[in-house]
Amino acid sequence: AQTVTQSQPEMSVQEAETVTLSCTYDTSESDYYLFWYKQPPSRQMILVIRQEAYKQQNATENRFSVNFQKAAKSFSLKISDSQLGDAAMYFCAPNQTGANNLFFGTGTRLTVIP
Amino acid sequence: KAGVTQTPRYLIKTRGQQVTLSCSPISGHRSVSWYQQTPGQGLQFLFEYFSETQRNKGNFPGRFSGRQFSNSRSEMNVSTLELGDSALYLCASSLAGERLEQYFGPGTRLTVT
Repeated sequence: AQTVTQSQPEMSVQEAETVTLSCTYDTSESDYYLFWYKQPPSRQMILVIRQEAYKQQNATENRFSVNFQKAAKSFSLKISDSQLGDAAMYFCAPNQTGANNLFFGTGTRLTVIP
Repeated sequence: KAGVTQTPRYLIKTRGQQVTLSCSPISGHRSVSWYQQTPGQGLQFLFEYFSETQRNKGNFPGRFSGRQFSNSRSEMNVSTLELGDSALYLCASSLAGERLEQYFGPGTRLTVT
């Protein structure tokens, strides 16, 4: 069974600053995908970024980037130039092999301070 | 393209009743997954349907069931509702294949009294 650990239940960041959310996971798979989703107060889950485990290059999407360390099974999310709209719960989620079922961590609540 | 839609958005049921939730995926998406979100258990995978077949199932009792139609729309059913079934039920769709991005609907908030 997979386990996902998000050790920071809450984080805060000043507007325009940078923040890093951590995630570690455990899997016996060698080929898998990892995702970060955000869930704002509206409760709509929104895909932030995706990383293929076979790729060494870290994924980047505009202000969002990951630091993926496969050997350490670590998958952190860096948000640069934080904006008020970034305030949300952030979930790390590896995808189990064999089907489209995400295994979510407990989430990190990010507050952006104006 | 229209996003994933879920109906109804809010639902109040009494313990012992049954409920059916509906999910319409993004056009062209053939995989539909269902998740339950509660404050205590977090986000948990219920099941996934692909081409009208259940491809994978999470660790939920048999009271939770689902199906998928030929147009990829999916329904989930919960029979003999319990208070603990109160949750936000999220549906997500993705293109054919595995480990692709899943796009979520707004969810159905179920309250069991």
